[in-house]
Amino acid sequence: QVQLVQSGAEVKKPGASVKVSCKASGYTFTSYDINWVRQATGQGLEWMGWMNPNSGNTGYAQKFQGRVTMTRNTSISTAYMELSSLRSEDTAVYYCARDVVQGDYYYGMDVWGQGTTVTVSS
Amino acid sequence: SYELTQPPSVSVSPGQTARITCSGDALPKKYAYWYQQKSGQAPVLVIYEDSKRPSGIPERFSGSSSGTMATLTISGAQVEDEADYYCYSTDSSGNHEVFGTGTKVTVL
Repeated sequence: QVQLVQSGAEVKKPGASVKVSCKASGYTFTSYDINWVRQATGQGLEWMGWMNPNSGNTGYAQKFQGRVTMTRNTSISTAYMELSSLRSEDTAVYYCARDVVQGDYYYGMDVWGQGTTVTVSS
Repeated sequence: SYELTQPPSVSVSPGQTARITCSGDALPKKYAYWYQQKSGQAPVLVIYEDSKRPSGIPERFSGSSSGTMATLTISGAQVEDEADYYCYSTDSSGNHEVFGTGTKVTVL
């Protein structure tokens, strides 16, 4: 079945970086964009950016420009999101989600990973 | 930055109709998408392109959009529909995606 499986929980110190992985299975990895969305405890969803696994093209939310990098390894159908210069406000659950795009039509994020908890604490 | 505004909470009795609004300046030209998130779970897409339902989503979920407001309607809400609901769209340039502020729906 189609699924996205994310890496395990991380605990980082302020100023460090974290890299979260998202392994795709059950479909052709390079045919669908991947989004990253985060959610702080008790807060709403926050869109961070997208990546096209085929081309490697990316688009980041302005808030994260300069701090986030989205990459992929097509040989193992895995997407990565790296966030640097971590601060306590980055403590959140991070989700990857598959975009359904066909030509000029966008159908939403139809498959989500289980989420990865990132805790930033000294 | 672009914002989508939702009411913080909506409460209905089982079998009644719940309506959740999402307000944004670009909605006359951009589609709205709706996600349901139950406690401790990842979000699930329930409406795309303002009013279309993905396969597997119950018919009681419907969407509409008029002017600067999109609306998610749950007709005959059930206890299992209790969740947070988020709209999602983009600004007029198409370059800045954003989630709405979220609405907690209580069915009791």
